[in-house]
Amino acid sequence: DVKVTQSSRYLVKRTGEKVFLECVQDMDHENMFWYRQDPGLGLRLIYFSYDVKMKEKGDIPEGYSVSREKKERFSLILESASTNQTSMYLCASSSLGARGISNTEAFFGQGTRLTVV
Amino acid sequence: AQSVSQHNHHVILSEAASLELGCNYSYGGTVNLFWYVQYPGQHLQLLLKYFSGDPLVKGIKGFEAEFIKSKFSFNLRKPSVQWSDTAEYFCALAGGGNKLTFGTGTQLKVEL
Repeated sequence: DVKVTQSSRYLVKRTGEKVFLECVQDMDHENMFWYRQDPGLGLRLIYFSYDVKMKEKGDIPEGYSVSREKKERFSLILESASTNQTSMYLCASSSLGARGISNTEAFFGQGTRLTVV
Repeated sequence: AQSVSQHNHHVILSEAASLELGCNYSYGGTVNLFWYVQYPGQHLQLLLKYFSGDPLVKGIKGFEAEFIKSKFSFNLRKPSVQWSDTAEYFCALAGGGNKLTFGTGTQLKVEL
């Protein structure tokens, strides 16, 4: 059974803390993604990666960074957590499609609900 | 830049009613399109996808979607909904560079 695992289901952090969200996939996928999900705003792409050590900014990268040192692991880092980063964070992975397009199914983790107080 | 618009934010239907959820996209090149569903308390899962060929694609649980290139649309349909279809539905677009962009989602509630 394919699996994307996020290290925590729930996290509570204080304003200004450095926060690490970890994601591991066991499908040998090239692509990995970090989204945040907020009511009424859908899923917004923060960062994605198509290879080890490669990263691309998504639509809302401000205040975040990422790390991909190994193919199976993609970390999201909140450099200095703020209350407006309280959200559900979703990790996903997919295999590299033809023509450089993500044309294969993305598999999602269960999400990490982060609360910044 | 690529983007996805879902205009129906909340939809309430009675069981056996027909469903159509709108999805429009913006991207100038070749696209791949998806519909994902999120049932309460569960992770997102794929309903159906369009890559090329027949613009009418069929997915799981009786869902289908039609890709109309001239309208930049990929609407989701189901002839007869069930209470168990209550969920949030997301349209997604993959354009160039492996970027996968989602819409804002549509909350569907099916009443008995």
